Amino acid sequence: GAGVSQSPSNKVTEKGKDVELRCDPISGHTALYWYRQRLGQGLEFLIYFQGNSAPDKSGLPSDRFSAERTGESVSTLTIQRTQQEDSAVYLCASSLQGGGNYGYTFGSGTRLTVV
Amino acid sequence: GDSVTQMEGPVTLSEEAFLTINCTYTATGYPSLFWYVQYPGEGLQLLLKATKADDKGSNKGFEATYRKETTSFHLEKGSVQVSDSAVYFCALSGATNKLIFGTGTLLAIQP
Repeated sequence: GAGVSQSPSNKVTEKGKDVELRCDPISGHTALYWYRQRLGQGLEFLIYFQGNSAPDKSGLPSDRFSAERTGESVSTLTIQRTQQEDSAVYLCASSLQGGGNYGYTFGSGTRLTVV
Repeated sequence: GDSVTQMEGPVTLSEEAFLTINCTYTATGYPSLFWYVQYPGEGLQLLLKATKADDKGSNKGFEATYRKETTSFHLEKGSVQVSDSAVYFCALSGATNKLIFGTGTLLAIQP
């Protein structure tokens, strides 16, 4: 597609429930990133996929967080047993290849509220 | 590991004032450097970038020069407008291919 698409745009969930967030990257982009932005704070790196390589999961904050990507297409970020501190905007970005010589395009994000 | 430090906000200026938002970085090798902007209620947008030392990125009247000797990438604009009010993020992409962000600087321009 023309841009990075994320769904849902907003999600309200009860504490303890599982949630799944989806990201559709730009077609042909081999690199895909997930970030978390808490209210009034910067962007926190979560996970990075590059083609068929093993993902860089170094930013996932706990084992409640996991992400998958099918080939070079859709990615899902799953948060199990959600906690109130998980409330944030979750941003996805894609790039033609990893690295700074190629632009990173961000989606509009999913605003997650855990009540 | 790689990191970015930018000046804390909020920064409040009058219209037509000169703007500088400081950004310094720590990285191995030669990272690419970026400024992203987030307008109220909108997503993150690339403002400008520089991929090697002494490069100058520019867009919408904003400029930033990649200074390897001072590991800096300060954002400047000669005359700000109310429409420039936003949160500005400095970022780098280094050997790990991850985009590492600073904490963001809120800029508020008063008419």
